[in-house]
Amino acid sequence: DSGVTQTPKHLITATGQRVTLRCSPRSGDLSVYWYQQSLDQGLQFLIQYYNGEERAKGNILERFSAQQFPDLHSELNLSSLELGDSALYFCASSPWTGLGNEQFFGPGTRLTVL
Amino acid sequence: GENVEQHPSTLSVQEGDSAVIKCTYSDSASNYFPWYKQELGKGPQLIIDIRSNVGEKKDQRIAVTLNKTAKHFSLHITETQPEDSAVYFCAAATGNQFYFGTGTSLTVIP
Repeated sequence: DSGVTQTPKHLITATGQRVTLRCSPRSGDLSVYWYQQSLDQGLQFLIQYYNGEERAKGNILERFSAQQFPDLHSELNLSSLELGDSALYFCASSPWTGLGNEQFFGPGTRLTVL
Repeated sequence: GENVEQHPSTLSVQEGDSAVIKCTYSDSASNYFPWYKQELGKGPQLIIDIRSNVGEKKDQRIAVTLNKTAKHFSLHITETQPEDSAVYFCAAATGNQFYFGTGTSLTVIP
């Protein structure tokens, strides 16, 4: 158990809908990272927040957005969902930001868009 | 942007043999190279990492080598055990941006 929690574990929804994925980092960790893992594209970095502020942006679509709240939990919002958004979404946390900063991954949320 | 290639995509070895997974990267600015192990139904877990100012790092049965000139790095697992069976991902990082390889599914045959 990494100490990172993600809810829900599974989510099934329809195209065009909007969903929110939630992540609680390990106690004391200030950084949260979001990743998308799909069969055809592997593990892709989406976005990172550090202490409430966006720090790095990867291949995140404009239909997706995220935020980190004062209690350090984070939410990833996915809107206008398409079939291709079906994937595993992982959240990871680390104590601070910068290199060599071990990331601890949560168990993931499996999103299925029908 | 960075492009990380990982080979092989699948690897089967006999228990006790060694396993080697190789990755190449394209961006010379990448300076941190972690390796992750992902077991079925779980998130990736960091198993070893190396910075660009180091050529080799070892932790018990696991070692990583880095060749900055050739822009490639490798994961070596010696004396493999059935519990080493998992998917392994390499990554190259520049700043806070991580770029992952496509994964190697390792099967250790008892």
